[in-house]
Amino acid sequence: DVKVTQSSRYLVKRTGEKVFLECVQDMDHENMFWYRQDPGLGLRLIYFSYDVKMKEKGDIPEGYSVSREKKERFSLILESTSTNQTSMYLCASSFRTTNTGELFFGEGSRLTVL
Amino acid sequence: DAKTTQPPSMDCAEGRAANLPCNHSTISGNEYVYWYRQIHSQGPQYIIHGLKNNETNEMASLIITEDRKSSTLILPHATLRDTAVYYCIVRVGGYQKVTFGTGTKLQVIP
Repeated sequence: DVKVTQSSRYLVKRTGEKVFLECVQDMDHENMFWYRQDPGLGLRLIYFSYDVKMKEKGDIPEGYSVSREKKERFSLILESTSTNQTSMYLCASSFRTTNTGELFFGEGSRLTVL
Repeated sequence: DAKTTQPPSMDCAEGRAANLPCNHSTISGNEYVYWYRQIHSQGPQYIIHGLKNNETNEMASLIITEDRKSSTLILPHATLRDTAVYYCIVRVGGYQKVTFGTGTKLQVIP
């Protein structure tokens, strides 16, 4: 079974603190994605990566950065957290194919910024 | 990736078929229709996908109209465990970003 593991299920941080959210997948997927989910807004894409060291902005990249140094690992970085970054963060991965590129999601990381 | 439109919520009686519609009128010829569902507090889970032919698997059936501008996900005998948010997306895969919308919240009623 494909496994996408997110480093923390729940985090509480204070405004201005730095946060690393890590995501690891074990299926040699080329593509990896970071989304945030907020009530009424669905899943919104922050960043995605289609290969090591490659990254592309999603729909809401402001306030975030990412790192992909190894194929299996994709990190989301919040340099200086703000209260409006309180959210559920979901990582996903997929093969880079044109047909069966279904996404596999992690369980999510719920971040609260005080 | 093309955008999709789904009703925000639907109810379905337990044991009956749940038919969830999705409009994707700007879909391109090489874009696939994918359906995912998200049960509360979990990550979304893949259900089914198709290009232009109808598809069926152990979870659901996918009906795509001939002009490919809309599709319907069918859960043939809905159970309480099917209560979830269902997302319809269209994508070509490869190097493209994957955009979700707000989905349809399906409530299965006993």
